[in-house]
Amino acid sequence: NAGVTQTPKFQVLKTGQSMTLQCAQDMNHEYMSWYRQDPGMGLRLIHYSVGAGITDQGEVPNGYNVSRSTTEDFPLRLLSAAPSQTSVYFCASSLRQGVNEQFFGPGTRLTVL
Amino acid sequence: AQSVTQPDIHITVSEGASLELRCNYSYGATPYLFWYVQSPGQGLQLLLKYFSGDTLVQGIKGFEAEFKRSQSSFNLRKPSVHWSDAAEYFCAVGARTNAGKSTFGDGTTLTVKP
Repeated sequence: NAGVTQTPKFQVLKTGQSMTLQCAQDMNHEYMSWYRQDPGMGLRLIHYSVGAGITDQGEVPNGYNVSRSTTEDFPLRLLSAAPSQTSVYFCASSLRQGVNEQFFGPGTRLTVL
Repeated sequence: AQSVTQPDIHITVSEGASLELRCNYSYGATPYLFWYVQSPGQGLQLLLKYFSGDTLVQGIKGFEAEFKRSQSSFNLRKPSVHWSDAAEYFCAVGARTNAGKSTFGDGTTLTVKP
């Protein structure tokens, strides 16, 4: 199993540009989530999904969109990038509700100029 | 709402010394509790978890943690630290009824002196 994969590993954007961070898992996990990690602030939940076709907001959803058309994929879209979105982004997955151990991808380091 | 506090932002220990990283949580029922480790430039890896039963749980790499309900704590321990243990450590609490949503602490950075 590849586990959780994320692409790209690094990205530089200009303010106002859009992009999609890709996330895929091959463990048939129903739950997937996106976090951002900033120095001294731990991990903050952006969006999550409990299954294909179902998404919900986390604690910092503004400026980000998600969709979950398949069990395997959970892309994160930045519609109009802002410098405040400079961060390291992690995708994670876990089994259904009640089994909460999360498996993390390697992260995407995003810089918005 | 659930929350996690890791009181120590940074800890330095000598190689071979014992280690204890503190974690306090707030949750209305018996929580799921986790410790993750993050090496520089890497994603998070699960060290150990507590769901129920024995309050002393063993994890990978020689780590253990003890759940103390009366103190709302889940401290991570290791009897003898190795230089390779230098990393950032995150405590997390998961909600039993919230579709796997976890709340993470702000992390503790461990430096190991030779």
